[in-house]
Amino acid sequence: GQNIDQPTEMTATEGAIVQINCTYQTSGFNGLFWYQQHAGEAPTFLSYNVLDGLEEKGRFSSFLSRSKGYSYLLLKELQMKDSASYLCAVRDSNYQLIWGAGTKLIIKP
Amino acid sequence: ETGVTQTPRHLVMGMTNKKSLKCEQHLGHNAMYWYKQSAKKPLELMFVYNFKEQTENNSVPSRFSPECPNSSHLFLHLHTLQPEDSALYLCASRPAGGEVGELFFGEGSRLTVL
Repeated sequence: GQNIDQPTEMTATEGAIVQINCTYQTSGFNGLFWYQQHAGEAPTFLSYNVLDGLEEKGRFSSFLSRSKGYSYLLLKELQMKDSASYLCAVRDSNYQLIWGAGTKLIIKP
Repeated sequence: ETGVTQTPRHLVMGMTNKKSLKCEQHLGHNAMYWYKQSAKKPLELMFVYNFKEQTENNSVPSRFSPECPNSSHLFLHLHTLQPEDSALYLCASRPAGGEVGELFFGEGSRLTVL
């Protein structure tokens, strides 16, 4: 079967760095997405990786290793507004999105 | 503001009621989706429409009935639901082309079935 694993919940301190991991087992691979979802709000697109390596976008970076079936989202200089759920999703060989259950990130002052 | 609007934001209904959820997008996208989001579970794809045609029905019970009258509007008609159908129902759209093909989500309709 197809599976995406990510931690259920993480806690970090304002101003620090946090890494949210995502491992996947899917039928083929056509890209990996990260979305951010604040409580009661719409998930919003953060990043997309289709080739191995690091994609940097301001305070957020996303890394992919296709051989290891592994990605992480790196958040730097954490702010209180970064408290949210972070969803990892992989597009498989049929271009279907397989979703993880999300990681709830709690930022403490 | 994602450009995808869902109404109502909250809905409480009895098991014998009939209600509808509405989704509207002003992004010019041609693909629209219904997802179910339950606490601590992955998003569950329910239906996909491309250019108003249903291209996917992910084994969804018939008590959920989608309707897509045009590329900008999507409905989910609900009848004789069960308490386990209580969840957040998310609508999303996606442009037809584009390299990435990311989804644009609405804020969801929180459904409670009593």
